[in-house]
Amino acid sequence: GAGVSQSPRYKVAKRGQDVALRCDPISGHVSLFWYQQALGQGPEFLTYFQNEAQLDKSGLPSDRFFAERPEGSVSTLKIQRTQQEDSAVYLCASRQGIGTRRTGTLEQYFGPGTRLTVT
Amino acid sequence: DQQVKQNSPSLSVQEGRISILNCDYTNSMFDYFLWYKKYPAEGPTFLISISSIKDKNEDGRFTVFLNKSAKHLSLHIVPSQPGDSAVYFCAASVLFMVGRGSQGNLIFGKGTKLSVKP
Repeated sequence: GAGVSQSPRYKVAKRGQDVALRCDPISGHVSLFWYQQALGQGPEFLTYFQNEAQLDKSGLPSDRFFAERPEGSVSTLKIQRTQQEDSAVYLCASRQGIGTRRTGTLEQYFGPGTRLTVT
Repeated sequence: DQQVKQNSPSLSVQEGRISILNCDYTNSMFDYFLWYKKYPAEGPTFLISISSIKDKNEDGRFTVFLNKSAKHLSLHIVPSQPGDSAVYFCAASVLFMVGRGSQGNLIFGKGTKLSVKP
């Protein structure tokens, strides 16, 4: 597609529910990132995929957070047993290459985000 | 401990004048810097970037300046237009270590809300 898309755009979950957030990156982009943006803050890194391989999950706040990208394109971020502190906007971004000029442009392009509200 | 700081939460300028948005960083390993613009209910939109080997990059009305010794960068918008009103985020990454422990994920500041008045 022309840009990064995410669904759903808004999600309300009751505390304790599981949620799944989807990201469709720009076609052909090797790198995919997930970020979490709390109100009034900048986005914070959660996890990184290079194709289907999850190379960095150091930003995931707890083991309730799980991400996958099984075929190297669409990615899903899953949050189990949601808590109120999980309420935030979850942003997905894709990058053409692995982060070197030889493999493509260096910028990350963001989707519109999913606003998650846990009640 | 914030590695990227945008100390001005908001900025108001008159249409046609220059907008200057500032950003400071603490990590000397950062070698690639980006500015993003964000409208409400939308994701951040890439504006302009600069590599640490340069001190200036220009794209139309947008110019980014980098002062490595001061660990400071700024975004200049000339002339400012009402459509530029948005939140601007400064972001930094470590790219020289890609493949050797870094993936080039972005570290963001908290943003500066720019209002351009007609």
